[in-house]
Amino acid sequence: DAGVIQSPRHEVTEMGQEVTLRCKPISGHNSLFWYRQTMMRGLELLIYFNNNVPIDDSGMPEDRFSAKMPNASFSTLKIQPSEPRDSAVYFCASIGTGSLNTEAFFGQGTRLTVV
Amino acid sequence: EDKVVQSPLSLVVHEGDTVTLNCSYEVTNFRSLLWYKQEKKAPTFLFMLTSSGIEKKSGRLSSILDKKELFSILNITATQTGDSAVYLCAVRNKAAGNKLTFGGGTRVLVKP
Repeated sequence: DAGVIQSPRHEVTEMGQEVTLRCKPISGHNSLFWYRQTMMRGLELLIYFNNNVPIDDSGMPEDRFSAKMPNASFSTLKIQPSEPRDSAVYFCASIGTGSLNTEAFFGQGTRLTVV
Repeated sequence: EDKVVQSPLSLVVHEGDTVTLNCSYEVTNFRSLLWYKQEKKAPTFLFMLTSSGIEKKSGRLSSILDKKELFSILNITATQTGDSAVYLCAVRNKAAGNKLTFGGGTRVLVKP
């Protein structure tokens, strides 16, 4: 397996533009997490899904943020409209649950810069 | 709400020193505690702990969990410059759909 795959690796956009981050979890993992990491706030949990269903989105900072998981192999995190304070590294992670009590595997992250 | 607190925030040591990193937690329904190392990119997995008192060891790194006192420690012996990184602790909540909450991390700098 290629691991958790995120795209793009880097994104630079202007304030007000829509940004879509993508994640492909490890095959067979049924929990997926989106995190945001900044120097000031560390690794913050934004939202997570079990079996494609959002379980807890209390970490999503504002209505400008939304996430979907239309199937077991794909998730998106969208920011519309983007603002400079959204600049951060966004990580996606997947985990095996049930009999698969695995650790969380992280993608390489998307470094977002909003100017 | 689940909570993970790591200490110290940062430390500087010299090669050959031993470091001990602390992680205390609050979680409504504990499943596991995980340690990760983060250098410039994504966090990489070190240990998963589920039972109290059983030490996990990998080379110069070791970790142990105390479920009664709700904490874990990560030890690094004979530190090397390659150990310089941020070390992250996380807890997994079985009841909350396996929610994974991270602490703020400890930044370790190992000087030659």
